[in-house]
Amino acid sequence: DVKVTQSSRYLVKRTGEKVFLECVQDMDHENMFWYRQDPGLGLRLIYFSYDVKMKEKGDIPEGYSVSREKKERFSLILESASTNQTSMYLCASRGAPPYTFGSGTRLTVV
Amino acid sequence: AQSVTQPDIHITVSEGASLELRCNYSYGATPYLFWYVQSPGQGLQLLLKYFSGDTLVQGIKGFEAEFKRSQSSFNLRKPSVHWSDAAEYFCAVGPMEYGNKLVFGAGTILRVKS
Repeated sequence: DVKVTQSSRYLVKRTGEKVFLECVQDMDHENMFWYRQDPGLGLRLIYFSYDVKMKEKGDIPEGYSVSREKKERFSLILESASTNQTSMYLCASRGAPPYTFGSGTRLTVV
Repeated sequence: AQSVTQPDIHITVSEGASLELRCNYSYGATPYLFWYVQSPGQGLQLLLKYFSGDTLVQGIKGFEAEFKRSQSSFNLRKPSVHWSDAAEYFCAVGPMEYGNKLVFGAGTILRVKS
C-alpha cells in the first residue's frame, strides 16, 4: 500500500513565523496535493504538483507556497503565519486513482 | 465549475438501522466519484469509487453507492450501521484525466446511537 507521511501531527506556531509542513510518499507518484480542512467547508485545495519542480495553484493559494525538489517530498510553506491559517492540513498522493491521504497536521497559529 | 453538495451536515442513526448519505455533483463530463471516511484525528480513507460500468459499486466495511447520472447523484448506503461507523464522510468528484484534482463536498458527520 502507498504510504503518505506527514511529519507532524500537531504544530503550534506564532503569528508571523515561517512554517514548513512536510509530506513524503513512498510510491514514486508524480501527483501530490495539499488540502486544507475546516469544519463545514470540507477540503479545499491549496496547491498541487504534477512532478518535480512543477506546481500549480489550487483554489486557496493565498498566503501559501510549496516546494517539490524531490519526487517523494512535497512541502507546504506558510510564509508568515496568521491566525486564520489555523486549520487541519492534509497531504495526498496520486499515482493512479484514487488519492492516498496522510494523517494530517493540525496547525494552530497563536 | 465542478462542485459537490452534501446536503446533510449531521445525521444520527441508531445502531443496526440503515443509512443513506446524500451526494449531488455538478460536472460537465463523465466524472470519477469517490466516498471517503475520516475518523476523528485521522486522514481520509477511501470507501469506494466509481469510474464506469455497473452503477452500483461496493466498497469496504459493507458500504455501497449508486451512481445516478440523471440525478447527478452518488449516494452512499449501508444496510445496518455499527457504532464504529461514526465518523465524517466526504463525497468527491474529479475528471477522468489522469492527475487532475478532486473537489470535495463539505462532509456529513454521522453519529450512531446505541
